[in-house]
Amino acid sequence: NAGVTQTPKFRILKIGQSMTLQCTQDMNHNYMYWYRQDPGMGLKLIYYSVGAGITDKGEVPNGYNVSRSTTEDFPLRLELAAPSQTSVYFCASSYQGRQLGEQYFGPGTRLTVT
Amino acid sequence: KQEVTQIPAALSVPEGENLVLNCSFTDSAIYNLQWFRQDPGKGLTSLLLIQSSQREQTSGRLNASLDKSSGRSTLYIAASQPGDSATYLCAVSDNSGNTPLVFGKGTRLSVIA
Repeated sequence: NAGVTQTPKFRILKIGQSMTLQCTQDMNHNYMYWYRQDPGMGLKLIYYSVGAGITDKGEVPNGYNVSRSTTEDFPLRLELAAPSQTSVYFCASSYQGRQLGEQYFGPGTRLTVT
Repeated sequence: KQEVTQIPAALSVPEGENLVLNCSFTDSAIYNLQWFRQDPGKGLTSLLLIQSSQREQTSGRLNASLDKSSGRSTLYIAASQPGDSATYLCAVSDNSGNTPLVFGKGTRLSVIA
C-alpha cells in the first residue's frame, strides 16, 4: 500500500491564481481530511469527508473547496489564492467504524502565495 | 470548544535520559487520543492511539497514558536517542464520534548525543 499520497510537493502561486491539491489513499478508508499547518502552530482542519459524496467544513474552510467523488480521492481547491494561504497542507485518512480510527497522513504540500 | 495544550513547547535532553511529554485537553469527553511524531519538513507519523476506555498504550520505548477525568495524557520516552529528535503532537477526538482530531501545537524534542 502506498498509503496517503499528495501532489504536488511544492508550489508557488501568485495572488489571485487557483490550484488544486491532490490527495489519494489506497487503504479503503471512509474518512478523509485536509489540514493546514502554519509555523509554530498545530494543525487546523479545513474540510473533511465521511464518505464519497459527503463533505463538511472544518475550523478554517474559507477560501477553499473540496469534493469527494470517489472513496480514494479528496482534492482541495484554492480559488483566488491569497498570501494568508501560504502554509503546509496535509491530507489524512482513517477508517471510522464504531470508534474513531487511527489517522494516516500524507507527506504534505508546501504552498507559497506571493 | 475543545482545546489541546502541550507543555513544554521545546525540550532538549542528553542522550539516554528518560523523558515525559505532557498533553492536556479542556473537554474530558473524548473518544480517543493520538500521539504523532513529525520530522522537519515531513508529514505526521502516528505513534500511539489510546481509546477513551483505555489508560495506556505501549510501543517499544514509548508509553502513553491517558487520564480522562483530569484531561491529561503523557508520552514517556525511555532511554532517549538522537533519532528521537522531532516534534511530538498530541490530538484528541471528541465524544460525538464524527468530529476529526483537535491538535496541540506540539513539543519540539532535541536529544543531544
